[in-house]
Amino acid sequence: DARVTQTPRHKVTEMGQEVTMRCQPILGHNTVFWYRQTMMQGLELLAYFRNRAPLDDSGMPKDRFSAEMPDATLATLKIQPSEPRDSAVYFCASGLTRDRAGTEAFFGQGTRLTVV
Amino acid sequence: AQSVTQLDSQVPVFEEAPVELRCNYSSSVSVYLFWYVQYPNQGLQLLLKYLSGSTLVKGINGFEAEFNKSQTSFHLRKPSVHISDTAEYFCAVSANFGNEKLTFGTGTRLTIIP
Repeated sequence: DARVTQTPRHKVTEMGQEVTMRCQPILGHNTVFWYRQTMMQGLELLAYFRNRAPLDDSGMPKDRFSAEMPDATLATLKIQPSEPRDSAVYFCASGLTRDRAGTEAFFGQGTRLTVV
Repeated sequence: AQSVTQLDSQVPVFEEAPVELRCNYSSSVSVYLFWYVQYPNQGLQLLLKYLSGSTLVKGINGFEAEFNKSQTSFHLRKPSVHISDTAEYFCAVSANFGNEKLTFGTGTRLTIIP
């Protein structure tokens, strides 16, 4: 059963530390999304890639966040330095973007980040 | 750019009663529409999608939605809800290449009353 795998599922870290979240998209999918979910802001799109190239990272605080896809099987989201306001659930989703079909995204289980 | 509005943040419904969760979208181009469900401490799961063709689409768990282009709506319906339908429901919109990012509404929390 193909699924998006995110690690770690939970992360507690101290303010100022670097945090790296990883995502293994579904094999064959050409689009990867990173979302952040909080009670106040709901689901926010941070960045997304198509064929490993970043297409839009306008939702991401550039000074501390970075997103990469070193290869087709791995997407990473890094926060350095982390701050308490970064506490949220971070979701990775992958999908197959096709002409005249949009993108049906499949979500991972998320990484619950707590910055103390 | 596309946007989605879910007007109802919370909807309480008695068990076995019908429910409608509202979704309106805005876009200058043709869109594709999705409904996702999120159970507590879980990721989002696709309920159904509209890409083209018939405006009435059926999804999993007995849900269906109707695409109405003139009203720019994509409301989700179920004729009889169960306790297990208690969850958060998100409407989302995507478009073609160049606008394929998936934009979500703020969600509607569906609470089923026994």
